[in-house]
Order: sequence, then structure tokens, then C-alpha cells
Amino acid sequence: EAGVVQSPRYKIIEKKQPVAFWCNPISGHNTLYWYLQNLGQGPELLIRYENEEAVDDSQLPKDRFSAERLKGVDSTLKIQPAELGDSAVYLCASSLASGGGGFYNEQFFGPGTRLTVL
Amino acid sequence: KNQVEQSPQSLIILEGKNCTLQCNYTVSPFSNLRWYKQDTGRGPVSLTIMTFSENTKSNGRYTATLDADTKQSSLHITASQLSDSASYICVVSLNDYKLSFGAGTTVTVRA
Repeated sequence: EAGVVQSPRYKIIEKKQPVAFWCNPISGHNTLYWYLQNLGQGPELLIRYENEEAVDDSQLPKDRFSAERLKGVDSTLKIQPAELGDSAVYLCASSLASGGGGFYNEQFFGPGTRLTVL
Repeated sequence: KNQVEQSPQSLIILEGKNCTLQCNYTVSPFSNLRWYKQDTGRGPVSLTIMTFSENTKSNGRYTATLDADTKQSSLHITASQLSDSASYICVVSLNDYKLSFGAGTTVTVRA
């Protein structure tokens, strides 16, 4: 079974340019998460989707970040315009659900997209 | 202040040796505590998961312990292999979906 797929794996852009990341979760997983991971730190949640609904976007910097999951399957995270401080790894994760105990809410992570803003 | 603190920040061990990683947390109450392994350039992969009522869980050469009274957890790696070189992240689940991550311990295993 394929895991969480993310693309691109690496992206280098100049500041003020837009950038988009794509994530395809594990088949059948209703919950999708986007995380930001700075070097030497643990991931920080940006947004969580239940199917196509963004149920927790409290940590998403909405002035420049946006996300969508139109059909409740794959998702896109966008930054416009990018700033130097956005350089990080952007991880996508998915789980069967967000409730029901450890089995159902265990999150499976993709390999991430490493963004470098010059 | 991060609610999950890990130590050491990094360590180097020789192949075949054992090591123990520490995790202290202030999150309370919590749903469960997990240890993840993150290889360079990869996403985190779950190693163990424990509820607050469990005090030990093993996965092959990895053994996690939990002391809910002192709010401490450890991950013990037995007979280390080169493939154990990775970052190990302690993660406390605040509720069903919200995870609080530690900064990780980077383990380097040398031949």
C-alpha cells in the first residue's frame, strides 16, 4: 500500500515568489494534516482537514498561506508571497480519523517538501 | 515554552552498543505518548505508542517506557545498527488529533 505522497520533494524559490505543495494521503484516510518543520525542531501543525473541511487552521498564517482539499482526498498548500523565514520542511500526514483512539488517529507522514527561499 | 523536552540533543554510539533517550513532558492530561523515528529527508515513522496506563512497550530492538507520575518517558535502543542513525522524536498527544512534538534526539551510529 502506498504511503503519503508529497511533491515536489525539494523547491528553491526567490523571496516574494509563490509556491505550492501537493499531498496525496493514504487511501481511505479522512483526516489530513499539514505541518511545518524547522531544522532541528519537531513538526508544528499548520492545518487539519476532516474530509474537505478545514477544522483547525488556527496556526496557519492566513495573510500568506492558504490550503485546500476540494474533493476530500489530495490537498494543496500555497504560500504567496514567500519570505526568507518560510524556508523549512513542509510535512503532510494523514490518519483514518481524528478520534476513536490510537489506531484510528495514528498519523502517517509523507517525506516532506524541503523549501528554500533565497 | 515547549511542553515536550528531549535529551540529549544528539549522541554518537558505536555499532552494537545500547543507548537511552529521554523525554520529559508537561502536557497533562494526555491521550497517549509516541516515539517516532525520522530518517534524514523522510517523514517521521511511528515506533511505539503508549497510553497513560501503560509503562512499557517494545518494537523489536526499541523499548519505550513511561512514568506518568514523573511525566518522563525513555526510548532504549538495544544492539544498535547503522540503520538506527536518525532523529528520534517524542510526541505527546494532547487529545485525539493534536500532537505536541519534542525537538528530537539525533542518534549517529558508527561502525
